[in-house]
Amino acid sequence: NAGVTQTPKFQVLKTGQSMTLQCAQDMNHNSMYWYRQDPGMGLRLIYYSASEGTTDKGEVPNGYNVSRLNKREFSLRLESAAPSQTSVYFCASSLFNEKLFFGSGTQLSVL
Amino acid sequence: SQQGEEDPQALSIQEGENATMNCSYKTSINNLQWYRQNSGRGLVHLILIRSNEREKHSGRLRVTLDTSKKSSSLLITASRAADTASYFCATASWIKAAGNKLTFGGGTRVLVKP
Repeated sequence: NAGVTQTPKFQVLKTGQSMTLQCAQDMNHNSMYWYRQDPGMGLRLIYYSASEGTTDKGEVPNGYNVSRLNKREFSLRLESAAPSQTSVYFCASSLFNEKLFFGSGTQLSVL
Repeated sequence: SQQGEEDPQALSIQEGENATMNCSYKTSINNLQWYRQNSGRGLVHLILIRSNEREKHSGRLRVTLDTSKKSSSLLITASRAADTASYFCATASWIKAAGNKLTFGGGTRVLVKP
C-alpha cells in the first residue's frame, strides 16, 4: 500500500505565483489534514477535513484554500504565494480521528 | 499558541541510557499521542493514550498521562542510535461536527550517541 502520497516533493515559487499541493490516501480514511512545519518547530494545522464534503480552518489558514475532492484526495492551494509560506508541508489522514498517517512532505520555497 | 509544549527542547544521551521527555497542554483532551520524526521525513505514530488511561507501554516506550496536571511523559528505555529523532506530542480535542483535532507541540530533539 502507498499510504499517503504527496506531490510534488519540492517546489520553488516566485512571490505572487499560485500552486496546488496534491495529497491522496489509499487507506479509506475519513479525515485528512494539511500541516506546515517551519525549521525547528512543530507542526501547525492549516486546514482539515473530518469527512468527505467538509473542510474546516486550523491554526494558520490565511493564504490557503483546500478542496476535499473525494474521500481519497485533499488538495491545498496557495493563490498568491508569499515568502512567509516557505515551509515544509505535510498531508496526513486518519480513521475516526485517531492516529495520523503522514505523507513524506513537500518542501516549498517562495522567493 | 500551540496546545502541547515539550520539555526539554533537546536531549543528548549515550546509547543504552533512558530518555525522558515531557509534554504539557492547556485544555481538556480526548487522547494524547506521541510521534517520531526522522530528519527530513514525515511523522510516524508511536503511541496513543486516552484521557481515561494513566499509563501505556509499547515495546521500549512508556507513556504516562496526568490529566489533573495536564501533562504527559514519554520514556524510551535502553536507547539505540536509531532512536535519534525529534519526538512530538499531539493532543486530540473534540471539535463539534468535525471530530477530533490534533494539535502538535514544538518537539524534543533526541540525539543518542553510540
